[in-house]
Amino acid sequence: GAGVSQTPSNKVTEKGKYVELRCDPISGHTALYWYRQSLGQGPEFLIYFQGTGAADDSGLPNDRFFAVRPEGSVSTLKIQRTERGDSAVYLCASSSTGSDTEAFFGQGTRLTVV
Amino acid sequence: GENVEQHPSTLSVQEGDSAVIKCTYSDSASNYFPWYKQELGKRPQLIIDIRSNVGEKKDQRIAVTLNKTAKHFSLHITETQPEDSAVYFCAASTMEYGNKLVFGAGTILRVKS
Repeated sequence: GAGVSQTPSNKVTEKGKYVELRCDPISGHTALYWYRQSLGQGPEFLIYFQGTGAADDSGLPNDRFFAVRPEGSVSTLKIQRTERGDSAVYLCASSSTGSDTEAFFGQGTRLTVV
Repeated sequence: GENVEQHPSTLSVQEGDSAVIKCTYSDSASNYFPWYKQELGKRPQLIIDIRSNVGEKKDQRIAVTLNKTAKHFSLHITETQPEDSAVYFCAASTMEYGNKLVFGAGTILRVKS
């Protein structure tokens, strides 16, 4: 596609439920990143994929958060037992090689846990 | 780990004036410093970046300066226009293994016409 695509654009879920957020990176980009942006804050790193593998998951806040990228393209961020504090905009970014190249961001998924 | 501080948090300027946003970073290994512009409800977009082997970079009305010794970098926008109004984020990365960005908290820039 022309840019990084994220679906859904908005997600409202009840506390305790499971959610999946999808990211479709720019075609051919091997590096994919997930960030979380709370209101009035800068994006906060969650996880980085190089190809199919999670090269750095040091930003995942706890074991309720998990992400996969099984074929090295689309990625899914999974959140179990959602809490109200998980409410934020989840941004995905991709870059062509992962080093020395610009990261392009998607529009984000606004997650609201009620 | 890396920590990036950004100020001011809000900045109002008159159209045509200059705007300066400053950031400091803590990790001397950081070597890539991009600036992103984010309009309300939209994605962050890269407007300019600088690498640690360069002290200054300019692109039309936008310039970025880097002082590696002091560990700070700044964004300069000249001849501001109303369409420059947005939130601006600085970030830092080591670029050693992936482009994991650590962002500042952002600056809300308002250009008054």
